Amino acid sequence: AQSVTQPDIHITVSEGASLELRCNYSYGATPYLFWYVQSPGQGLQLLLKYFSGDTLVQGIKGFEAEFKRSQSSFNLRKPSVHWSDAAEYFCAVAHLFTSGTYKYIFGTGTRLKVLA
Amino acid sequence: GAGVSQSPRYKVAKRGQDVALRCDPISGHVSLFWYQQALGQGPEFLTYFQNEAQLDKSGLPSDRFFAERPEGSVSTLKIQRTQQEDSAVYLCASSIENTEAFFGQGTRLTVV
Repeated sequence: AQSVTQPDIHITVSEGASLELRCNYSYGATPYLFWYVQSPGQGLQLLLKYFSGDTLVQGIKGFEAEFKRSQSSFNLRKPSVHWSDAAEYFCAVAHLFTSGTYKYIFGTGTRLKVLA
Repeated sequence: GAGVSQSPRYKVAKRGQDVALRCDPISGHVSLFWYQQALGQGPEFLTYFQNEAQLDKSGLPSDRFFAERPEGSVSTLKIQRTQQEDSAVYLCASSIENTEAFFGQGTRLTVV
């Protein structure tokens, strides 16, 4: 069965510092991978996704992620964090239905705190 | 509408009460999903519709949970005889077939 592990429950960084959020997945085939962000009281917003091709994926708000098959990882990075990036971040892998659409298997999330 | 709309945003129910949560997906989105997000956890899949057909309900935790989408647009998640463990944020998402989903802001259900 598919699963996603986000080993860091909380991360604190200073504004302007670089950021890396870890994500490991378990999936038999080539996975569809996603990073979502959730601000307090808000729904989930898609940051980026990986389906195939270039293993370095660019997303919105200056985020990027790298798919490493050998490590079963899809870590999220940002070179310089802004105070507005404080939120909860979820990594997800897709479970494909026979219809072609898919549901998400989410990790437990990483809460990011940004210090001024 | 511009996004996925859920109502109510907050619901407090007494234990044993029935509740109904509404989701209005993005116009034209064929697929609709319900997820449950317990405090401090990631969202967990409950059920999914393609148009009016409920194609998977494997995530519904008990037979007290029921979802419908009779005309292939608005969906309602109903929970009968609510229990404390039902307290969570219920997220609705919609998508065009085979693409990523767009999420609503969720309904926070508190059972007291």
